[in-house]
Amino acid sequence: DAGVTQSPTHLIKTRGQQVTLRCSPKSGHDTVSWYQQALGQGPQFIFQYYEEEERQRGNFPDRFSGHQFPNYSSELNVNALLLGDSALYLCASSLVLTGELFFGEGSRLTVL
Amino acid sequence: DAKTTQPPSMDCAEGRAANLPCNHSTISGNEYVYWYRQIHSQGPQYIIHGLKNNETNEMASLIITEDRKSSTLILPHATLRDTAVYYCIVRVVGNAGNMLTFGGGTRLMVKP
Repeated sequence: DAGVTQSPTHLIKTRGQQVTLRCSPKSGHDTVSWYQQALGQGPQFIFQYYEEEERQRGNFPDRFSGHQFPNYSSELNVNALLLGDSALYLCASSLVLTGELFFGEGSRLTVL
Repeated sequence: DAKTTQPPSMDCAEGRAANLPCNHSTISGNEYVYWYRQIHSQGPQYIIHGLKNNETNEMASLIITEDRKSSTLILPHATLRDTAVYYCIVRVVGNAGNMLTFGGGTRLMVKP
């Protein structure tokens, strides 16, 4: 049973560029959430997708957008990258009515 | 979701019980207590959760005080692999989304 898988694991971008991160949820899960974790801090909620719609959103600007596909996989897009966007981006999946989130290993983004 | 307070760091000797406290004095009656941990460079891992009764699983035990204003996560026989940041989170289960609000957590160092 594959867990949550994310790609790529590491990537480097320059300021102003755009990035797309991908996530495949754990088998049987239909809800995907994205978190940003800056170095030395706890993860911060970005948004959550269920039934291909954004259901909840944290305090992140519109530069952060996402998508969920019919197979429940998801993408996180960040436009106009800033140095402060350098972080570990975590994807988590769950069944919508339960609290147990399963996290992937994350995608580490470095913005130069 | 209610705010939690945890000590920033703790040490524990290998083989001994690790007792990690969490204060959640503003918890509401319908909020659960969740514990996750994050081993270096990995995604957070679910440990255990509870409402008001003590809970135990193969990883840990959760002791919640009668007034529910605090709880303790117990790792009965800590090993070096238990070295991680432990997050205590309180949240409502069954709402439209399952966003988790992570605080700073407790960095547990298990020493030989």
